[in-house]
Amino acid sequence: SYVLTQPPSLSVALGKTASITCGGNNIGDKSVHWYQQKPGQAPVVVIFYDTDRPSEIPERFSGSNSGNTATLTISRVEAGDEADYYCQVSDISSDLVFGGGTKVTVL
Amino acid sequence: QVQLQESGPGLVKPSETLSLTCTVSGDSVGSGSYSWSWIRQSPGQGLEWIGNINNRGSTKYNASLKSRVTISLDTSKNHFSLKLTSVTAADTAVYYCARVYSGATVWIDYWGHGTLVTVSS
Repeated sequence: SYVLTQPPSLSVALGKTASITCGGNNIGDKSVHWYQQKPGQAPVVVIFYDTDRPSEIPERFSGSNSGNTATLTISRVEAGDEADYYCQVSDISSDLVFGGGTKVTVL
Repeated sequence: QVQLQESGPGLVKPSETLSLTCTVSGDSVGSGSYSWSWIRQSPGQGLEWIGNINNRGSTKYNASLKSRVTISLDTSKNHFSLKLTSVTAADTAVYYCARVYSGATVWIDYWGHGTLVTVSS
């Protein structure tokens, strides 16, 4: 089955840029979707189809995908961005494959 | 606005069957370009896909759970359900239902709030 690899944690200073990676074999050939999950809440999609953003998600959130790595970038990080972030792809054998998640801490 | 609400027992005994229902409002489970999914999250862990069902009742399951899982659709009640047999403590988790956009790729646009199911005697 297809495996997605994310760093378990990431710390970023307030106002700086956070880059969360999601590694997978030729992931650039797949569409990657990103979810934000705050404590005690259900996940919310922040990026779909690699780069698209729901209208309610701030422009500070952006995505890219090439080669073996997809990246979620959060610019001008705010305290409210502190959350777990999960990447997701679909695979021939599994409709939904999730990465292990990255806990983002805002300093 | 699409809303999903999980319901079912919060406590299940080991070896018994976990049964949950997801009631959908704002959309019809029997129509459209969407599938319906169950995902779970063990305490302090990541997201694990359990399975999907489409509007025609066709299912796909996570290979690691396939022998124990059944997902079904009830269009008359506009809900879909999960049954997981022979549960153990490892099945303790928050269970989410979700709407899945099923196009060239598959992704989730709406989630339920989740319901905690504890497996314990």
